[in-house]
Amino acid sequence: AQSVTQLDSQVPVFEEAPVELRCNYSSSVSVYLFWYVQYPNQGLQLLLKYLSGSTLVKGINGFEAEFNKSQTSFHLRKPSVHISDTAEYFCAVTRSGGSYIPTFGRGTSLIVHP
Amino acid sequence: DAMVIQNPRYQVTQFGKPVTLSCSQTLNHNVMYWYQQKSSQAPKLLFHYYDKDFNNEADTPDNFQSRRPNTSFCFLDIRSPGLGDAAMYLCATSRSGQRAEAFFGQGTRLTVV
Repeated sequence: AQSVTQLDSQVPVFEEAPVELRCNYSSSVSVYLFWYVQYPNQGLQLLLKYLSGSTLVKGINGFEAEFNKSQTSFHLRKPSVHISDTAEYFCAVTRSGGSYIPTFGRGTSLIVHP
Repeated sequence: DAMVIQNPRYQVTQFGKPVTLSCSQTLNHNVMYWYQQKSSQAPKLLFHYYDKDFNNEADTPDNFQSRRPNTSFCFLDIRSPGLGDAAMYLCATSRSGQRAEAFFGQGTRLTVV
């Protein structure tokens, strides 16, 4: 089985500042890694994913994440945030192969202040 | 556009009154699944269909049932909703062997009164 840990439940930041949302995972098998964003009363939207290859992946809305196998981490970063980035962010893993059903972390609430 | 559609977006039901949430998809994905998400918590997998095979999570209450009459549709039935079942219910799909990505609907917000 796999699990995901998002250590920060809430991250406040000022507009135009950089941000990093942390994610660590554990698994006994190879996994794929994902970040999803959820706006209030909405479903989940995929930001980016790591399947293989380059460990630095770029996603939508200027976000990027870096896969670090030795540290079992997949932290999400953005160099300059906007008010509109205020949302809940979920890190997720799936097994490589099979049905690809994600297991989620508890989420990090990003709050961007003007 | 191909997508996952959940109806209704908001559902109010009475305590103990059966309720059904629906999900449809135009992606032709063979895997469909339901999550329950309570406030400020991670989505919790309730069950999934892999093609026609139903897979229930061990801790999903018997109060929750599901039907998948065809590839495109999947229903979540709550037989006797309690106050603790108030949550956002998310439907998602994926296709085994391809893209490794789950596609989510907009969710149904269930309120139990």
